[in-house]
Amino acid sequence: DAGVTQSPTHLIKTRGQQVTLRCSPKSGHDTVSWYQQALGQGPQFIFQYYEEEERQRGNFPDRFSGHQFPNYSSELNVNALLLGDSALYLCASSLVGSGYGYTFGSGTRLTVV
Amino acid sequence: KNEVEQSPQNLTAQEGEFITINCSYSVGISALHWLQQHPGGGIVSLFMLSSGKKKHGRLIATINIQEKHSSLHITASHPRDSAVYICAVRSEETSGSRLTFGEGTQLTVNP
Repeated sequence: DAGVTQSPTHLIKTRGQQVTLRCSPKSGHDTVSWYQQALGQGPQFIFQYYEEEERQRGNFPDRFSGHQFPNYSSELNVNALLLGDSALYLCASSLVGSGYGYTFGSGTRLTVV
Repeated sequence: KNEVEQSPQNLTAQEGEFITINCSYSVGISALHWLQQHPGGGIVSLFMLSSGKKKHGRLIATINIQEKHSSLHITASHPRDSAVYICAVRSEETSGSRLTFGEGTQLTVNP
């Protein structure tokens, strides 16, 4: 039973560029949440997708957007990259009504230069 | 002040020692999670608590809802326990299932 798969594992982008990160949830899960983790800090909630809609959003600018597909996989898009966007981006999947159990991916390490 | 505070930030122990990591939170919660993060970033869920105590192998997690406090204990610590341990809560006041994380405790266990 595959866990959460994130791609790519590492990425280097230049300021001003756009990036797309991908997440495949654990089999049987229907909800995907995205988190940003800066070095030495705890993860910060970006947004959550369920039934192909953004259900909750953290304190992140509109440059951060996402999508969920019918197969529950999800993308995180970041436009106009800033140096401060350099971080580990984590995806976590869960199943609505299952009691809040989460499965995390290994993350995508984004470096903006 | 963060909604979730962990202590200590860094902890160094000798193999075999008993370890305690603390987590305090300031909001009403429906669940608290203890997570382990190894270098490279992947996060593993250790425990999910809403009351009482849970045990898995050498790991024990407790929570006191009235005091808004949880502890993670590691008995007979081993170098392979070296990792960042993170406390995260799901607030009663938010819909959906977002988590609010502490900043983590870096544990190093020396042989």
